Amino acid sequence: GNSVTQMEGPVTLSEEAFLTINCTYTATGYPSLFWYVQYPGEGLQLLLKATKADDKGSNKGFEATYRKETTSFHLEKGSVQVSDSAVYFCALSDNSGAGSYQLTFGKGTKLSVIP
Amino acid sequence: NAGVTQTPKFQVLKTGQSMTLQCAQDMNHEYMSWYRQDPGMGLRLIHYSVGAGITDQGEVPNGYNVSRSTTEDFPLRLLSAAPSQTSVYFCASSPGTAQETQYFGPGTRLLVL
Repeated sequence: GNSVTQMEGPVTLSEEAFLTINCTYTATGYPSLFWYVQYPGEGLQLLLKATKADDKGSNKGFEATYRKETTSFHLEKGSVQVSDSAVYFCALSDNSGAGSYQLTFGKGTKLSVIP
Repeated sequence: NAGVTQTPKFQVLKTGQSMTLQCAQDMNHEYMSWYRQDPGMGLRLIHYSVGAGITDQGEVPNGYNVSRSTTEDFPLRLLSAAPSQTSVYFCASSPGTAQETQYFGPGTRLLVL
């Protein structure tokens, strides 16, 4: 079946530091890949996505590139801010049959940014 | 637009009690789903619906029932609550499949004693 593995947290960084959160996946076919973010006390919201190999998703200074050869979708940001403190979830949806209606999530990585 | 709304925000139940978690969306989305979020487990899909009158099971459906009589509403029913159902429950909706942006509600925190 499908699975998503992302780096365990929590991750604590100083403001303006570089962020990488690793994400690798196992899926049949050619999945779509997502990063969702959950701010404290809120539901999840889409941060960025990529639907095919070599696509780069970007939003709010965050980027992730769909690497089929390494089955990875690592999240990066060049300079984090305190407001980026949240839990980040990597997820996939495979594009075949019933799988296209289901998101498979990683366990989440909690990021804390300190001033 | 209110987006996706969920009620209640927090609920305490005793083992064996039943209850319904409400979810509504005002975006005319066809696809709606329910997830549970447990520490160290990420989110897992309970049930989903691709339109009024159509529902299907997700990864962890046991102990939960759903129905979809209107496009707007997608309630989740716990028939006989168990401590293992203590979790945070999120409802989500999207215009089409899971490949499209999912819009999540704020969640319902459930404690089963």
